[in-house]
Amino acid sequence: ETGVTQTPRHLVMGMTNKKSLKCEQHLGHNAMYWYKQSAKKPLELMFVYNFKEQTENNSVPSRFSPECPNSSHLFLHLHTLQPEDSALYLCASNQLASGANVLTFGAGSRLTVL
Amino acid sequence: GIQVEQSPPDLILQEGANSTLRCNFSDSVNNLQWFHQNPWGQLINLFYIPSGTKQNGRLSATTVATERYSLLYISSSQTTDSGVYFCAVVSGGSNYKLTFGKGTLLTVNP
Repeated sequence: ETGVTQTPRHLVMGMTNKKSLKCEQHLGHNAMYWYKQSAKKPLELMFVYNFKEQTENNSVPSRFSPECPNSSHLFLHLHTLQPEDSALYLCASNQLASGANVLTFGAGSRLTVL
Repeated sequence: GIQVEQSPPDLILQEGANSTLRCNFSDSVNNLQWFHQNPWGQLINLFYIPSGTKQNGRLSATTVATERYSLLYISSSQTTDSGVYFCAVVSGGSNYKLTFGKGTLLTVNP
């Protein structure tokens, strides 16, 4: 247990469904991240939230919609996804301006789009 | 943007063997981290090492920032060391945007 909890761990959805991924951190960090990990590709940064404010949107399609209601919770809302969106979605957090900016990851949500 | 290359892409060891994983990066960095991803997908930070040498048990890491590379040493490998090892760096003005390499897949056989 790293202090970053992601739910659900596995999700299968059709292209017309709407679902959400949830991330919660119990570390008192001020920044939270969504990363996408596809097979045979490096981790891709999707979104960054710093003190609940989005500071990075790495050209992510609008079918992915993040929400950060407070500095401990982060959601990724999914709608009308494509099969190529199947991947492991990783949430991470850290304490910015701490010098090291060491990332702590959750265990990931493995998404399959049919 | 900065390029991060890791080698070798795959490595198979017998339990007890030692290994060295390499990370080359194309620009100066102000943050470099090594991670281990277990077969179930969990990523764990091993080292924060923008320069210098650190050791933690059987693992150690060295970053030579002036020559733009970092090395991760694993000694007396165990089957639980299996997984993917990632190097990630931050370069330029960003203080949080980590760029990951493609990783080294390590398999340690009993």
